[in-house]
Amino acid sequence: GQNIDQPTEMTATEGAIVQINCTYQTSGFNGLFWYQQHAGEAPTFLSYNVLDGLEEKGRFSSFLSRSKGYSYLLLKELQMKDSASYLCAVRGGGRSSASKIIFGSGTRLSIRP
Amino acid sequence: DARVTQTPRHKVTEMGQEVTMRCQPILGHNTVFWYRQTMMQGLELLAYFRNRAPLDDSGMPKDRFSAEMPDATLATLKIQPSEPRDSAVYFCASVQGARTGELFFGEGSRLTVL
Repeated sequence: GQNIDQPTEMTATEGAIVQINCTYQTSGFNGLFWYQQHAGEAPTFLSYNVLDGLEEKGRFSSFLSRSKGYSYLLLKELQMKDSASYLCAVRGGGRSSASKIIFGSGTRLSIRP
Repeated sequence: DARVTQTPRHKVTEMGQEVTMRCQPILGHNTVFWYRQTMMQGLELLAYFRNRAPLDDSGMPKDRFSAEMPDATLATLKIQPSEPRDSAVYFCASVQGARTGELFFGEGSRLTVL
């Protein structure tokens, strides 16, 4: 089976840095996604990690350790518009689940002035 | 501007009625997913297709839900009969390949069953 864990809620201050963690246990692995979802909207893509290490994209960075089943999303120079839910998702591996993409429950991030 | 299109965007119906939701994936995307999102459960995978063939629908209540891809440009999710606990936002998403690529979401269909 597959299990993805991330904190339910986090709060941070405008201008600061926040790290959202995600741990996973899956049958096979073909990549990990981070999505952002504002209330009432569809999820939008932030990052995709397949190999270990850090991927940086502007204010957002995502890290992956496959051996530890661990990823984090790092948001720098936080802005009020970053208040949203952040979803961690894993693409499974193996013949029967090569395409399967499972989401964690999401972390609701609140930014305070 | 390629995007996943879902209809209807909003649906209010009474318990026992049939509900059909439709999705047009991005042209060229061969893998299509249906997810359901509620406050309590987050994004649950209901079913997914590759090249129009169903790969896994274990997340779907079999007695009332059915998902099909009549052709490469249309995926449908049907609930019959609907129940109040089916109230949720249903998202369709598509991706170009089996093992790579970003998952693109539609705007979702918000279903309310009274």
